[in-house]
Amino acid sequence: NAGVTQTPKFQVLKTGQSMTLQCAQDMNHNSMYWYRQDPGMGLRLIYYSASEGTTDKGEVPNGYNVSRLNKREFSLRLESAAPSQTSVYFCASETFNYEQYFGPGTRLTVT
Amino acid sequence: GQSLEQPSEVTAVEGAIVQINCTYQTSGFYGLSWYQQHDGGAPTFLSYNALDGLEETGRFSSFLSRSDSYGYLLLQELQMKDSASYFCADANRDDKIIFGKGTRLHILP
Repeated sequence: NAGVTQTPKFQVLKTGQSMTLQCAQDMNHNSMYWYRQDPGMGLRLIYYSASEGTTDKGEVPNGYNVSRLNKREFSLRLESAAPSQTSVYFCASETFNYEQYFGPGTRLTVT
Repeated sequence: GQSLEQPSEVTAVEGAIVQINCTYQTSGFYGLSWYQQHDGGAPTFLSYNALDGLEETGRFSSFLSRSDSYGYLLLQELQMKDSASYFCADANRDDKIIFGKGTRLHILP
């Protein structure tokens, strides 16, 4: 039982490049989330998915797209990376009573 | 809309008790959660309060007052390993969790 896994753990991109962050959970949870964390800003919600086949915008969706591929997997795509997207990205899945399990995070630097 | 307010930093002494407060403004509020995050790590779940009152889990307790839109996390018998950031988060009818900006807890020996 791996919980929530994220790949890659670290990534450096040049401005304008694209990439996809992968997330998978093996706990059979319906809800999954993508957050970014910047110093002093806490966790800000980018997108979430309440169930397979549905996605909704969070607080800071601009510059990102998501895909809920199946119940296990929820990916985050940066189509054209910008330095403002330098951050730590966390994926989480959630139980029916709002307990969230987080992946280890992806540390992304855009130069 | 949603917003949660918590102090940015709190300092306490090893062995003492500390309380971290959180006030919220959320429509369709369901409940309040607390998470702990050590430097370089991922947040981990501590507690969830859906009803008014105090929930106790070992050295940690969490309290909610819906009428006051207020909650707190109480840490007893502080240990150096409790040095971390603590986040309150609310659940609401839009099926999404919103986090506060976090409280950094410093523990002095």
